[in-house]
Amino acid sequence: DVKVTQSSRYLVKRTGEKVFLECVQDMDHENMFWYRQDPGLGLRLIYFSYDVKMKEKGDIPEGYSVSREKKERFSLILESASTNQTSMYLCASSFFGGRTDTQYFGPGTRLTVL
Amino acid sequence: AQTVTQSQPEMSVQEAETVTLSCTYDTSESNYYLFWYKQPPSRQMILVIRQEAYKQQNATENRFSVNFQKAAKSFSLKISDSQLGDTAMYFCAFMRSWQDKLTFGKGTLLTVNP
Repeated sequence: DVKVTQSSRYLVKRTGEKVFLECVQDMDHENMFWYRQDPGLGLRLIYFSYDVKMKEKGDIPEGYSVSREKKERFSLILESASTNQTSMYLCASSFFGGRTDTQYFGPGTRLTVL
Repeated sequence: AQTVTQSQPEMSVQEAETVTLSCTYDTSESNYYLFWYKQPPSRQMILVIRQEAYKQQNATENRFSVNFQKAAKSFSLKISDSQLGDTAMYFCAFMRSWQDKLTFGKGTLLTVNP
């Protein structure tokens, strides 16, 4: 089975702190994604990556950055956390074309910024 | 830009009954992919069913089936013989091509009552 793991299920940080959210997948997927999920807004794409050291902006990249130094790991970085970044963050991964387009999701990290 | 609309924020159904969740989308593409994802309470998001736009036959996965109306840009999910474990948030999603990002609707919270 595909396994996507996220470093924390719950995280509480203070305004202005630098926050790292880590995501690891074990299926050799090329594509990795970061979403945030808010009630009434669904899932919105923050950043995605098709390959190591590659990144593309999603729909709401402001206030976030990402890092992909290894194929299996995709990090989301909040350079200076703000209260409006309190949300559920979901990581996902998928193969690059051909074999399947299904995205597999991690369990999510619920981040609270005080 | 593609948009996905789920007009029913919440729905409820009695166990063993059938329920249909609505989804409409807007795109100028002729070929694309459509998905229904399920997110049970406090659990990971998983794929329920997928449909390629070039296929006329509606996809089916056990008790889950879709009614894909390409001309109307409609993609509804039918759940037959509803079970308590079907209680979840359901998201409709659109993908333009196999190397593109997913665009999600805002979700429908389905509650199956005993």
